[in-house]
Amino acid sequence: NAGVMQNPRHLVRRRGQEARLRCSPMKGHSHVYWYRQLPEEGLKFMVYLQKENIIDESGMPKERFSAEFPKEGPSILRIQQVVRGDSAAYFCASSEASGNTIYFGEGSWLTVV
Amino acid sequence: QKEVEQNSGPLSVPEGAIASLNCTYSDRVSQSFFWYRQYSGKSPELIMSIYSNGDKEDGRFTAQLNKASQYVSLLIRDSQPSDSATYLCAVKTSAGGTSYGKLTFGQGTILTVHP
Repeated sequence: NAGVMQNPRHLVRRRGQEARLRCSPMKGHSHVYWYRQLPEEGLKFMVYLQKENIIDESGMPKERFSAEFPKEGPSILRIQQVVRGDSAAYFCASSEASGNTIYFGEGSWLTVV
Repeated sequence: QKEVEQNSGPLSVPEGAIASLNCTYSDRVSQSFFWYRQYSGKSPELIMSIYSNGDKEDGRFTAQLNKASQYVSLLIRDSQPSDSATYLCAVKTSAGGTSYGKLTFGQGTILTVHP
């Protein structure tokens, strides 16, 4: 997973605050994916983005969650008005166009208190 | 039925033994299959990918794929305590003729290799 950079690694937010998680893909990769891993559960796909485009957001909760991948800068996963159930590990992954090999970042652990 | 199911575990094997991890998937058009290893508090690490029926070997790891039975497995030979981790099976399915890196994961199998 070398090269997929996520920050912050750990984030604590109070209920009702906003959380912003950032992801820079591996060099040469233009495809970014966000996954969420709830405690004691498997990884679940959330959203797939290319530069300036959301391609597949079928795994995103309908409310409070949004993602972007601007022309310049990292991809952002934004969670508004966080609730305790949002506490999870959020992993970003990137790939080249074919998606044959997907590399994961180190993850961002969100704790909502 | 879950899209990707793994043997529930936890699985405990002695050092030096063969660990066998199993996974079934429900979507017959699935094309690519992956095994990831995840240590506690860490990110998933790709161990093996397999695309064609049969066996694929890489060091102590062998992935086996049987598309007719919708079954994929991972064998770890000469298991070491450092292999103790959660192993995740992941399946990639093309959507609308477009292939990209959307993966469906199983719930994971916890493997413990005891000395």
